[in-house]
Amino acid sequence: GDSVTQMEGPVTLSEEAFLTINCTYTATGYPSLFWYVQYPGEGLQLLLKATKADDKGSNKGFEATYRKETTSFHLEKGSVQVSDSAVYFCALSDQGAQKLVFGQGTRLTINP
Amino acid sequence: GAVVSQHPSWVICKSGTSVKIECRSLDFQATTMFWYRQFPKQSLMLMATSNEGSKATYEQGVEKDKFLINHASLTLSTLTVTSAHPEDSSFYICSARDLDLNYNEQFFGPGTRLTVL
Repeated sequence: GDSVTQMEGPVTLSEEAFLTINCTYTATGYPSLFWYVQYPGEGLQLLLKATKADDKGSNKGFEATYRKETTSFHLEKGSVQVSDSAVYFCALSDQGAQKLVFGQGTRLTINP
Repeated sequence: GAVVSQHPSWVICKSGTSVKIECRSLDFQATTMFWYRQFPKQSLMLMATSNEGSKATYEQGVEKDKFLINHASLTLSTLTVTSAHPEDSSFYICSARDLDLNYNEQFFGPGTRLTVL
């Protein structure tokens, strides 16, 4: 079945550091790919998405490119802030079933 | 727009009792709602998918008689944990999708933390 594998956390960085959180997937067909963020005590929020190969999703300085050849959707940000501290989930949605399959989540902590 | 609420945000109950959790789409009609379970420091596991006016579709390994789902209207779905036991303690999250808004996107509620004593 479909699956998503994320870089294991926790990840701790200093403010203004460069961030990469790796995400790879296994799916039949052509899934849509998502990054969700969960801030402490809150529900999941969609951060960005890409629906086809070579699409780049971007939001709030975060970017991720849908790479079909490497089945990856790595999350990047050039300069992180303390307010970016949260848990990040990579997910895919199968075009047919429309169910979301989540990775295990990566806890990110940014120190001032 | 696209706000989903859950009630209650947390609940503590005694073993053997039943607990009902509500999930509401506040500003759109949710043709499909999803219920997830999240264990501490782990990912979300889909429990079931419910479409308005029809029976829920449960994922493999989820007991449908234990976790009763009702999606009686386009803005409300409920999850009832029947005869709850300590192992049912978890964070339950719902999401909703509106085919008119965006076929591919789910909007998530803030979650309900259930603790069974």
